Amino acid sequence: DAGVTQSPTHLIKTRGQHVTLRCSPISGHKSVSWYQQVLGQGPQFIFQYYEKEERGRGNFPDRFSARQFPNYSSELNVNALLLGDSALYLCASSLRLAGGVDTQYFGPGTRLTVL
Amino acid sequence: GDSVTQMEGPVTLSEEAFLTINCTYTATGYPSLFWYVQYPGEGLQLLLKATKADDKGSNKGFEATYRKETTSFHLEKGSVQVSDSAVYFCALSDPGGYNKLIFGAGTRLAVHP
Repeated sequence: DAGVTQSPTHLIKTRGQHVTLRCSPISGHKSVSWYQQVLGQGPQFIFQYYEKEERGRGNFPDRFSARQFPNYSSELNVNALLLGDSALYLCASSLRLAGGVDTQYFGPGTRLTVL
Repeated sequence: GDSVTQMEGPVTLSEEAFLTINCTYTATGYPSLFWYVQYPGEGLQLLLKATKADDKGSNKGFEATYRKETTSFHLEKGSVQVSDSAVYFCALSDPGGYNKLIFGAGTRLAVHP
């Protein structure tokens, strides 16, 4: 079975631009989460979606938004890019929203560089 | 708030040496605990997990035991290989009702022949 897929693999943008990152979960998984991993640090939680509704949001500014589609794929949007948004953006999927019991499976990530 | 603290790296070992990477956590509830591994240029792979106190997670020769009394989940392997070189992340699940993961800063392991 295919794992979590993300596109694009790499992306270079300039300050002030907008970016859209995409994620397809493992087949049958209904929950998608987004994480930001700055170089040398652990991933930080951005959003979680389950059954197309936002179920959790981390401590990120309103420039970050996301949505989940009927096929459970997801998009992460970042507006007005800043240099500090340069990071690896990871998508993870899980079967359900089960209070931490369900394992999250991660995609390979999208490397965003903001110049 | 909930948090995870890992020993700082890098950890440098010779092949076949014993590995311990320390991880302690702070949580208000009863979290599940995880170890993820990240190879160069890749995303995170689940290595092992434990969902309640005294559970032992194990995979590929790695193991970790959920110790509630010491709030720890240390990763161990009896004999490391060069192919184990990677960054290891300890994480807990937010017990507040949804599946958010809280990660430590990661520990880089370098194994030399």
